[in-house]
Amino acid sequence: AQSVTQLDSQVPVFEEAPVELRCNYSSSVSVYLFWYVQYPNQGLQLLLKYLSGSTLVKGINGFEAEFNKSQTSFHLRKPSVHISDTAEYFCAVSGGSNYKLTFGKGTLLTVNP
Amino acid sequence: DGGITQSPKYLFRKEGQNVTLSCEQNLNHDAMYWYRQDPGQGLRLIYYSQIVNDFQKGDIAEGYSVSREKKESFPLTVTSAQKNPTAFYLCASSIDRIDRANEQFFGPGTRLTVL
Repeated sequence: AQSVTQLDSQVPVFEEAPVELRCNYSSSVSVYLFWYVQYPNQGLQLLLKYLSGSTLVKGINGFEAEFNKSQTSFHLRKPSVHISDTAEYFCAVSGGSNYKLTFGKGTLLTVNP
Repeated sequence: DGGITQSPKYLFRKEGQNVTLSCEQNLNHDAMYWYRQDPGQGLRLIYYSQIVNDFQKGDIAEGYSVSREKKESFPLTVTSAQKNPTAFYLCASSIDRIDRANEQFFGPGTRLTVL
Protein backbone atom coordinates (compact mmCIF):
# COMPACT_ATOMS: atom_id res chain seq x y z
CA ALA A 1 0.00 0.00 0.00
CA GLN A 2 1.13 3.52 -0.63
CA SER A 3 0.50 6.64 1.40
CA VAL A 4 1.26 10.34 1.31
CA THR A 5 1.85 12.67 4.24
CA GLN A 6 1.78 16.40 3.84
CA LEU A 7 3.47 17.63 6.96
CA ASP A 8 1.81 21.04 7.20
CA SER A 9 -1.92 21.60 6.89
CA GLN A 10 -1.47 25.38 6.64
CA VAL A 11 1.49 27.55 5.62
CA PRO A 12 1.17 31.33 5.91
CA VAL A 13 3.86 33.45 4.24
CA PHE A 14 4.39 37.01 3.18
CA GLU A 15 4.46 38.05 -0.45
CA GLU A 16 7.87 37.68 -2.14
CA ALA A 17 9.11 35.28 0.55
CA PRO A 18 10.28 31.77 -0.35
CA VAL A 19 8.12 28.81 0.51
CA GLU A 20 8.50 25.05 0.88
CA LEU A 21 5.56 22.67 1.12
CA ARG A 22 6.60 19.30 2.46
CA CYS A 23 5.50 15.91 1.21
CA ASN A 24 6.63 12.45 2.28
CA TYR A 25 5.44 9.21 0.78
CA SER A 26 5.65 5.52 1.53
CA SER A 27 5.66 2.80 -1.07
CA SER A 28 7.36 -0.55 -1.47
CA VAL A 29 7.91 -0.01 -5.18
CA SER A 30 9.08 2.73 -7.47
CA VAL A 31 6.68 5.63 -7.68
CA TYR A 32 5.51 8.49 -9.76
CA LEU A 33 4.91 11.73 -7.85
CA PHE A 34 2.67 14.68 -8.56
CA TRP A 35 1.82 18.09 -7.14
CA TYR A 36 -1.59 19.58 -7.88
CA VAL A 37 -2.96 23.04 -7.01
CA GLN A 38 -6.58 23.85 -6.21
CA TYR A 39 -7.88 27.42 -6.17
CA PRO A 40 -11.05 28.04 -4.11
CA ASN A 41 -14.12 26.22 -5.41
CA GLN A 42 -12.28 24.89 -8.44
CA GLY A 43 -10.89 21.60 -9.64
CA LEU A 44 -7.27 20.51 -9.41
CA GLN A 45 -4.57 21.57 -11.84
CA LEU A 46 -1.26 19.77 -12.29
CA LEU A 47 1.77 21.81 -11.18
CA LEU A 48 4.47 19.25 -11.92
CA LYS A 49 5.28 15.56 -11.89
CA TYR A 50 8.25 13.29 -11.36
CA LEU A 51 8.38 10.17 -13.50
CA SER A 52 12.11 9.44 -13.84
CA GLY A 53 15.41 11.11 -14.63
CA SER A 54 16.48 14.36 -13.02
CA THR A 55 15.36 14.60 -9.42
CA LEU A 56 14.71 18.34 -9.73
CA VAL A 57 11.45 18.93 -11.52
CA LYS A 58 10.26 22.31 -12.73
CA GLY A 59 6.60 23.09 -13.10
CA ILE A 60 4.25 25.90 -13.92
CA ASN A 61 4.02 29.25 -12.14
CA GLY A 62 7.66 29.12 -11.02
CA PHE A 63 7.28 26.07 -8.77
CA GLU A 64 9.79 23.26 -8.55
CA ALA A 65 10.11 20.07 -6.55
CA GLU A 66 12.93 17.73 -5.65
CA PHE A 67 12.57 13.97 -5.48
CA ASN A 68 14.65 12.44 -2.70
CA LYS A 69 14.45 8.67 -2.78
CA SER A 70 16.47 8.06 0.39
CA GLN A 71 14.23 10.38 2.39
CA THR A 72 11.08 9.40 0.46
CA SER A 73 10.25 13.05 0.02
CA PHE A 74 9.00 15.28 -2.77
CA HIS A 75 8.97 18.81 -1.37
CA LEU A 76 7.55 21.70 -3.40
CA ARG A 77 9.36 25.04 -3.47
CA LYS A 78 9.04 28.52 -4.88
CA PRO A 79 11.69 31.20 -4.34
CA SER A 80 9.28 34.14 -4.26
CA VAL A 81 5.52 33.80 -3.85
CA HIS A 82 2.73 36.08 -5.02
CA ILE A 83 -0.70 36.77 -3.60
CA SER A 84 -2.11 34.76 -6.50
CA ASP A 85 -0.34 31.62 -5.22
CA THR A 86 -2.84 31.44 -2.36
CA ALA A 87 -4.44 28.03 -2.85
CA GLU A 88 -4.47 24.47 -1.56
CA TYR A 89 -1.69 22.19 -2.75
CA PHE A 90 -1.94 18.42 -2.95
CA CYS A 91 0.86 15.91 -3.24
CA ALA A 92 -0.04 12.58 -4.86
CA VAL A 93 1.71 9.28 -5.55
CA SER A 94 1.13 6.48 -8.04
CA GLY A 95 3.07 3.25 -7.84
CA GLY A 96 3.27 -0.49 -8.22
CA SER A 97 0.54 -2.59 -9.78
CA ASN A 98 -1.99 -0.42 -8.02
CA TYR A 99 -3.41 2.00 -10.53
CA LYS A 100 -4.46 4.37 -7.77
CA LEU A 101 -3.42 7.98 -7.43
CA THR A 102 -3.19 8.47 -3.66
CA PHE A 103 -3.50 12.04 -2.43
CA GLY A 104 -2.23 13.74 0.68
CA LYS A 105 -4.63 15.77 2.76
CA GLY A 106 -3.44 19.04 1.32
CA THR A 107 -1.56 22.14 2.44
CA LEU A 108 -3.29 25.50 2.42
CA LEU A 109 -0.81 28.16 1.34
CA THR A 110 -1.86 31.67 2.28
CA VAL A 111 0.22 34.53 0.91
CA ASN A 112 -0.21 37.76 2.82
CA PRO A 113 0.69 41.26 1.58
CA ASP B 1 -11.46 23.83 -25.93
CA GLY B 2 -10.85 20.34 -24.64
CA GLY B 3 -11.67 19.65 -21.06
CA ILE B 4 -14.01 18.26 -18.45
CA THR B 5 -17.33 19.81 -17.55
CA GLN B 6 -19.35 19.10 -14.42
CA SER B 7 -22.87 20.21 -13.75
CA PRO B 8 -24.41 21.64 -11.79
CA LYS B 9 -21.82 23.69 -9.90
CA TYR B 10 -24.01 23.78 -6.78
CA LEU B 11 -26.66 21.22 -5.89
CA PHE B 12 -29.04 21.06 -2.97
CA ARG B 13 -30.81 17.88 -1.98
CA LYS B 14 -33.30 16.93 0.62
CA GLU B 15 -32.59 13.94 2.80
CA GLY B 16 -33.86 10.72 1.28
CA GLN B 17 -33.55 11.89 -2.32
CA ASN B 18 -31.25 10.48 -4.96
CA VAL B 19 -29.34 13.01 -7.05
CA THR B 20 -27.18 12.64 -10.17
CA LEU B 21 -24.04 14.64 -10.87
CA SER B 22 -22.99 15.05 -14.48
CA CYS B 23 -19.44 14.67 -15.84
CA GLU B 24 -18.56 15.04 -19.52
CA GLN B 25 -15.13 15.08 -21.19
CA ASN B 26 -14.06 15.79 -24.76
CA LEU B 27 -10.42 14.78 -24.30
CA ASN B 28 -10.99 11.33 -25.81
CA HIS B 29 -9.72 9.81 -22.58
CA ASP B 30 -10.47 6.18 -21.79
CA ALA B 31 -10.36 6.40 -18.00
CA MET B 32 -12.63 8.47 -15.78
CA TYR B 33 -12.81 8.89 -12.02
CA TRP B 34 -15.02 10.31 -9.30
CA TYR B 35 -13.55 11.72 -6.10
CA ARG B 36 -15.07 13.11 -2.98
CA GLN B 37 -13.34 16.00 -1.18
CA ASP B 38 -14.04 16.96 2.42
CA PRO B 39 -12.22 19.75 4.27
CA GLY B 40 -8.84 18.58 5.52
CA GLN B 41 -9.32 15.08 4.07
CA GLY B 42 -7.79 15.30 0.63
CA LEU B 43 -9.43 13.41 -2.21
CA ARG B 44 -10.96 9.96 -1.83
CA LEU B 45 -11.80 7.77 -4.80
CA ILE B 46 -15.44 6.75 -5.18
CA TYR B 47 -15.56 4.94 -8.54
CA TYR B 48 -13.46 4.68 -11.64
CA SER B 49 -14.01 3.44 -15.18
CA GLN B 50 -11.39 2.30 -17.66
CA ILE B 51 -13.63 1.71 -20.65
CA VAL B 52 -17.23 2.01 -21.71
CA ASN B 53 -19.61 -0.31 -19.85
CA ASP B 54 -17.01 -1.07 -17.21
CA PHE B 55 -16.49 0.52 -13.80
CA GLN B 56 -14.98 -0.45 -10.48
CA LYS B 57 -15.48 0.58 -6.87
CA GLY B 58 -12.94 2.85 -5.26
CA ASP B 59 -12.30 3.32 -1.56
CA ILE B 60 -15.66 4.81 -0.57
CA ALA B 61 -18.26 3.45 -3.04
CA GLU B 62 -21.03 2.74 -0.53
CA GLY B 63 -24.10 4.86 -1.20
CA TYR B 64 -22.98 5.81 -4.72
CA SER B 65 -23.60 4.40 -8.18
CA VAL B 66 -22.23 5.18 -11.64
CA SER B 67 -22.71 4.28 -15.28
CA ARG B 68 -20.46 4.50 -18.32
CA GLU B 69 -22.62 4.11 -21.40
CA LYS B 70 -20.57 6.56 -23.47
CA LYS B 71 -16.85 7.27 -23.52
CA GLU B 72 -17.47 10.97 -22.90
CA SER B 73 -19.84 10.65 -19.95
CA PHE B 74 -19.53 9.27 -16.42
CA PRO B 75 -22.48 10.36 -14.24
CA LEU B 76 -22.47 9.78 -10.49
CA THR B 77 -25.65 9.12 -8.52
CA VAL B 78 -25.61 9.88 -4.82
CA THR B 79 -28.28 7.67 -3.32
CA SER B 80 -30.26 8.03 -0.12
CA ALA B 81 -28.07 5.26 1.32
CA GLN B 82 -25.10 7.63 1.49
CA LYS B 83 -25.08 8.68 5.13
CA ASN B 84 -23.20 11.95 4.81
CA PRO B 85 -23.33 13.16 1.20
CA THR B 86 -22.56 16.84 1.75
CA ALA B 87 -19.18 17.33 0.06
CA PHE B 88 -17.35 18.66 -2.99
CA TYR B 89 -17.32 16.12 -5.83
CA LEU B 90 -14.62 16.08 -8.46
CA CYS B 91 -14.59 14.20 -11.74
CA ALA B 92 -11.31 13.44 -13.49
CA SER B 93 -10.06 11.66 -16.57
CA SER B 94 -6.80 10.27 -17.89
CA ILE B 95 -5.67 8.82 -21.20
CA ASP B 96 -5.88 5.36 -19.71
CA ARG B 97 -5.72 3.75 -16.31
CA ILE B 98 -2.93 1.31 -16.86
CA ASP B 99 -0.12 3.81 -17.26
CA ARG B 100 0.58 5.06 -13.77
CA ALA B 101 2.44 8.06 -15.16
CA ASN B 102 -0.68 9.45 -16.73
CA GLU B 103 -1.76 12.81 -15.50
CA GLN B 104 -5.35 13.08 -14.33
CA PHE B 105 -7.30 16.08 -15.57
CA PHE B 106 -9.97 17.46 -13.28
CA GLY B 107 -13.31 19.11 -13.78
CA PRO B 108 -14.40 22.22 -11.83
CA GLY B 109 -16.39 20.22 -9.28
CA THR B 110 -19.93 20.07 -7.94
CA ARG B 111 -20.70 21.15 -4.39
CA LEU B 112 -23.53 19.04 -2.99
CA THR B 113 -25.38 20.15 0.12
CA VAL B 114 -28.00 18.04 1.84
CA LEU B 115 -30.64 20.12 3.57
